Amino acid sequence: DQQVKQNSPSLSVQEGRISILNCDYTNSMFDYFLWYKKYPAEGPTFLISISSIKDKNEDGRFTVFLNKSAKHLSLHIVPSQPGDSAVYFCAASASNTGTASKLTFGTGTRLQVTL
Amino acid sequence: DTGVSQDPRHKITKRGQNVTFRCDPISEHNRLYWYRQTLGQGPEFLTYFQNEAQLEKSRLLSDRFSAERPKGSFSTLEIQRTEQGDSAMYLCASSLAKGGYTFGSGTRLTVV
Repeated sequence: DQQVKQNSPSLSVQEGRISILNCDYTNSMFDYFLWYKKYPAEGPTFLISISSIKDKNEDGRFTVFLNKSAKHLSLHIVPSQPGDSAVYFCAASASNTGTASKLTFGTGTRLQVTL
Repeated sequence: DTGVSQDPRHKITKRGQNVTFRCDPISEHNRLYWYRQTLGQGPEFLTYFQNEAQLEKSRLLSDRFSAERPKGSFSTLEIQRTEQGDSAMYLCASSLAKGGYTFGSGTRLTVV
């Protein structure tokens, strides 16, 4: 049972444009959500997170939006840069404290930013 | 401190052999996690420690798997009687009790 789903295995975006990566979840106990970026042969790197008490969190070029009623979150990258090309994982936690404990990951979306 | 360190980076072993991986977390982090990632999947939770106490284990962690964190610092993950299905990337991460994870680069296990 895949509790966190990333239905787009890949996405290609032109440099300078917006990249939108989507994630859906089924477990209503999840209350903390994170995005990680992964390059080949490296571990995932934390990008941005959001608690369920918020519906938006921004950090530089990265913004995460959370729609609790739809059990959907998205990561927006504006403007996209070639160095953003990587696999992006959505993750969720039922921590009840707003902090990361055990994480459930999606299957990832491979983003390619083209020149 | 250079982050979370995992050793070895790659391990090839014959089916039926035992293997052990080591993880050195960021020194001030009291939580340590093990995850497993197979091709085309996201990381799957295996177990986590707070200091030396193992607080949760996934049902993925069969009785052939054992993890320890004896002094609340580094951790080892041992797989006994390896099977081909154990081939995966084994990821370690650490965090403070309140905070996001920092992952290591992983140990890639190939069972032949």
